[in-house]
Amino acid sequence: EAGVAQSPRYKIIEKRQSVAFWCNPISGHATLYWYQQILGQGPKLLIQFQNNGVVDDSQLPKDRFSAERLKGVDSTLKIQPAKLEDSAVYLCASSFATGTFTIEQYFGPGTRLTVT
Amino acid sequence: AQTVTQSQPEMSVQEAETVTLSCTYDTSENNYYLFWYKQPPSRQMILVIRQEAYKQQNATENRFSVNFQKAAKSFSLKISDSQLGDTAMYFCAFDGLTFGKGTHLIIQP
Repeated sequence: EAGVAQSPRYKIIEKRQSVAFWCNPISGHATLYWYQQILGQGPKLLIQFQNNGVVDDSQLPKDRFSAERLKGVDSTLKIQPAKLEDSAVYLCASSFATGTFTIEQYFGPGTRLTVT
Repeated sequence: AQTVTQSQPEMSVQEAETVTLSCTYDTSENNYYLFWYKQPPSRQMILVIRQEAYKQQNATENRFSVNFQKAAKSFSLKISDSQLGDTAMYFCAFDGLTFGKGTHLIIQP
């Protein structure tokens, strides 16, 4: 079974530029998550999709971050314009969960973003 | 909002020893799941063990076990017979969505 795929693996941009990350979840997983993991901290949930609908985006900085999940499969996360504090690893995860509880998430390798 | 606290930023033990990682959380919910995830250096995060709050029996997965104290809102992870491959960041997570800051566990040969 193929795992969660993410690209690119690494990205370096200058502040005020824009960047996009792509995630392909495990086939059949209804729920997809984007996390931001700043160095030395645990992952912070940015947005949770169930199929192609948003379940929770309360921690997504909507003035600069946007995400979509077209057709309930692949997802993209965009930052425009980037700030220095956006430097982090962006993790994508997916799960079978369609109800109240997240039973287990499968994580991708992450995209390491450096903003200079 | 839920919070998860891991009070041990780093721990180091000798190979074959037993180590316990601490986690406390705060919630007003009665039914939930708790998780321990492992993030090896430069590798993907993987699930170590999970506990359902309505189950009183502590979860066990081979060398990994938890001590779940619901009233105290405590959820510690015990690793028995530690191995070099256990070296990693360990994250406690509430409902899989709220993570602690992690504990860096180093297993010394």
